[in-house]
Amino acid sequence: TQLLEQSPQFLSIQEGENLTVYCNSSSVFSSLQWYRQEPGEGPVLLVTVVTGGEVKKLKRLTFQFGDARKDSSLHITAAQPGDTGLYLCAGARGSGGGADGLTFGKGTHLIIQP
Amino acid sequence: SQTIHQWPATLVQPVGSPLSLECTVEGTSNPNLYWYRQAAGRGLQLLFYSVGIGQISSEVPQNLSASRPQDRQFILSSKKLLLSDSGFYLCAWSRGRIYGYTFGSGTRLTVV
Repeated sequence: TQLLEQSPQFLSIQEGENLTVYCNSSSVFSSLQWYRQEPGEGPVLLVTVVTGGEVKKLKRLTFQFGDARKDSSLHITAAQPGDTGLYLCAGARGSGGGADGLTFGKGTHLIIQP
Repeated sequence: SQTIHQWPATLVQPVGSPLSLECTVEGTSNPNLYWYRQAAGRGLQLLFYSVGIGQISSEVPQNLSASRPQDRQFILSSKKLLLSDSGFYLCAWSRGRIYGYTFGSGTRLTVV
């Protein structure tokens, strides 16, 4: 069962354009995280959002957690070739400090062309 | 600072051979440890997690097993590999889900 749906699966845009990728679920999550992964490497944590409606900014990246804590979005402003990679969202159910694993989406493959 | 080491980086093994992948964490104590498998088009699948020495929780019944002989060591094993065991295996540690995961650099396993 795919609990986290990411869209689009693939996105190729020109440098300088803006983009938004989405992470949607029918389940409620206590927190949601975004990771970026480069080929042959492990994912790297970008941000964690825990409060419904929360917005976090990381330079040109803006992350939003839905009010109902079922969805999230990642917006990139003025994309650069260095933003290229696989963007993964991951959700946690239950208490935030719990040890059982996160549920990951399949990811959005993002290519920024110079 | 905390670091996580995972090896080998790549591995080609014949069907029916055993497997042992090792993961160690430095700079922290009593971490939560995880093994994930990432297959093309299927995302990251949680295989095992551990909250302490000798404590292993299995998420998916399969041909693999995990052990935690020391606080900061996590091992993924198989007695007889199957073709379907091919994939990219990732080890990760965390203080708790809300803090996020730190992943190792992964092992690309090809079973031939």
